[in-house]
Amino acid sequence: EVQLVESGGGLVKPGGSLRLSCAASGFTLSIYTMHWVRQAPGKGLEWVSSISTSSSYISYADSVKGRFTVSRDNARNSLYLDMNSLRAEDTAVYSCAREGSRPGVGDAFDIWGQGTRVSVSS
Amino acid sequence: DIVMTQSPDSLAVSLGERATVNCRSSQSVLYRSNSKNCLAWYQQKAGQPPKLLIYWASTRESGVPDRFSGSGSGTDFTLTISSLQAEDVAVYYCQQYYTDPRSFGQGTKVEIK
Repeated sequence: EVQLVESGGGLVKPGGSLRLSCAASGFTLSIYTMHWVRQAPGKGLEWVSSISTSSSYISYADSVKGRFTVSRDNARNSLYLDMNSLRAEDTAVYSCAREGSRPGVGDAFDIWGQGTRVSVSS
Repeated sequence: DIVMTQSPDSLAVSLGERATVNCRSSQSVLYRSNSKNCLAWYQQKAGQPPKLLIYWASTRESGVPDRFSGSGSGTDFTLTISSLQAEDVAVYYCQQYYTDPRSFGQGTKVEIK
């Protein structure tokens, strides 16, 4: 079964750090661009970051640039998000998503994980 | 950055009736090299992650019922549910994948009247 499973969420104080992980199974992670998307409580979807297959292209939302770092380990079929200097407004469910591989400038997100909850509060 | 705006924010439709959700992008998402619009629609039910319904603005993902259809080009797009079923109650999001940041619309909540 094709699946993404996130882990690493939790409660952290403002200014703190967390590392989120996303484990892929049922497919070869190395051939897909991957993304992180978050959803604050009761709010809509917000794209956070993307990383290309070989990590040669990385992009971040302005809201997390300079604080978050995305990485991947294709040998371990895993994706990561290192979050530093966390703020209350970073409180959300963080999901990893697979970008499809159809040819073109980009593709839709065809596989999503269930997400891991991050709460930033003192 | 491309801003995606959906309308309405919510709608209530009777079972078996048509539901229409609109999405507008602040600039064209037409990829001229293949003449395809980089626009996707997702369905998110309560407590679940989003599910891809439509890509290239009008192509249904495998397994998606044919009552779901997408249309539009350039900057204006529509998701239509031709005959609303109880299981279609959800929030629907459009997303452009033409460029980073991969922006989403704010979501449209579809309920049963």
